[in-house]
Amino acid sequence: ILNVEQSPQSLHVQEGDSTNFTCSFPSSNFYALHWYRWETAKSPEALFVMTLNGDEKKKGRISATLNTKEGYSYLYIKGSQPEDSATYLCASTLLGNQFYFGTGTSLTVIP
Amino acid sequence: KAGVTQTPRYLIKTRGQQVTLSCSPISGHRSVSWYQQTPGQGLQFLFEYFSETQRNKGNFPGRFSGRQFSNSRSEMNVSTLELGDSALYLCASSFDRGLTYEQYFGPGTRLTVT
Repeated sequence: ILNVEQSPQSLHVQEGDSTNFTCSFPSSNFYALHWYRWETAKSPEALFVMTLNGDEKKKGRISATLNTKEGYSYLYIKGSQPEDSATYLCASTLLGNQFYFGTGTSLTVIP
Repeated sequence: KAGVTQTPRYLIKTRGQQVTLSCSPISGHRSVSWYQQTPGQGLQFLFEYFSETQRNKGNFPGRFSGRQFSNSRSEMNVSTLELGDSALYLCASSFDRGLTYEQYFGPGTRLTVT
């Protein structure tokens, strides 16, 4: 069993603020790290998948980095908008194995 | 391309009953995974099916079982329901394992056990 931890558990930011959250995972036997965005009453939506140490991915105002040696990934949101309000999940996978999800960071962007 | 569908979306059952949930993956996807989410918990992995075979299994009691059909549709069964089984059950499909192993989630089935 992989222990994947996310912090903070919840976050309230003002519209226009930039923010970031952390996903920590065991670095041994690492295979891939996934970020998902989960809006209320919708399905979790894949944001990024990263596999290599130092990977950086970007989609619009959202970006993510990966450090496999120390076992963490950061998700950044630049200029938060109310539509960014959602729970952001990360999941770590081992080769040929299941996804291990963190409990998520709940983001609320206040207009 | 149609997304992952799950039926029913909501379900209320009584303790001791059994329930079957259904998941239809994206066309062409051969892997289906099932997850349970309860308040305060992350998505807990139940099992994964690929080409009608269970490939991985999480740490859940034997009351939780599943199967996959030749068209990749999957069902999950919970027997002798307990109050603690009340949860959101999500399924996710993927083409196969690869470097990205991207999973696409359905909307979930909300099960309430009374």
